[in-house]
Amino acid sequence: GAVVSQHPSRVICKSGTSVKIECRSLDFQATTMFWYRQFPKKSLMLMATSNEGSKATYEQGVEKDKFLINHASLTLSTLTVTSAHPEDSSFYICSVRRGLAGGNRNEQFFGPGTRLTVL
Amino acid sequence: DAKTTQPPSMDCAEGRAANLPCNHSTISGNEYVYWYRQIHSQGPQYIIHGLKNNETNEMASLIITEDRKSSTLILPHATLRDTAVYYCIVSRTGANSKLTFGKGITLSVRP
Repeated sequence: GAVVSQHPSRVICKSGTSVKIECRSLDFQATTMFWYRQFPKKSLMLMATSNEGSKATYEQGVEKDKFLINHASLTLSTLTVTSAHPEDSSFYICSVRRGLAGGNRNEQFFGPGTRLTVL
Repeated sequence: DAKTTQPPSMDCAEGRAANLPCNHSTISGNEYVYWYRQIHSQGPQYIIHGLKNNETNEMASLIITEDRKSSTLILPHATLRDTAVYYCIVSRTGANSKLTFGKGITLSVRP
């Protein structure tokens, strides 16, 4: 499977600050990356789809001005949680999808996740 | 995308086969069945996927019924490290497709 990294793995910040999380695809170029959020004992919830060179597509109920996504290259997408509050504390996970190229695959490869704690 | 239904939990003995069921009675003809698992505090891991034929790889086997309304993921020789939440997901392919995670099934492998 593909190798996906996230940085940082853990971050603790004060309420009101902004936090940037990086997601890197290490062994192939990913035109599409996804950002998920997972609260304790809950399932993963898709936040947005990040497309290289274009604006991200956000899921219903996700504030695009609060969760800024930048997919500036084929190997890097960033998620910035702006003006973080304690309710934003969660496990943030990115994934990459291998280019489809007319194929029938929808395998996603996930990063190890970033644990955000907002005090 | 069609929804899936999985039991909340199951357990099995180490070394035995673990058979994880999934119902997807509203699956469409162009939707695939995907299985992922998530070990505690880690990102999900892709296991296997299929359309209508049974599939096998180094991790598991996927058995899809002929009417495609249900499937079973088989871990042939479960180990303690297979303890995880297993997600059965039905999804189309294509540029706009995405994975929707349900609650999954928690598999506990006991010594």
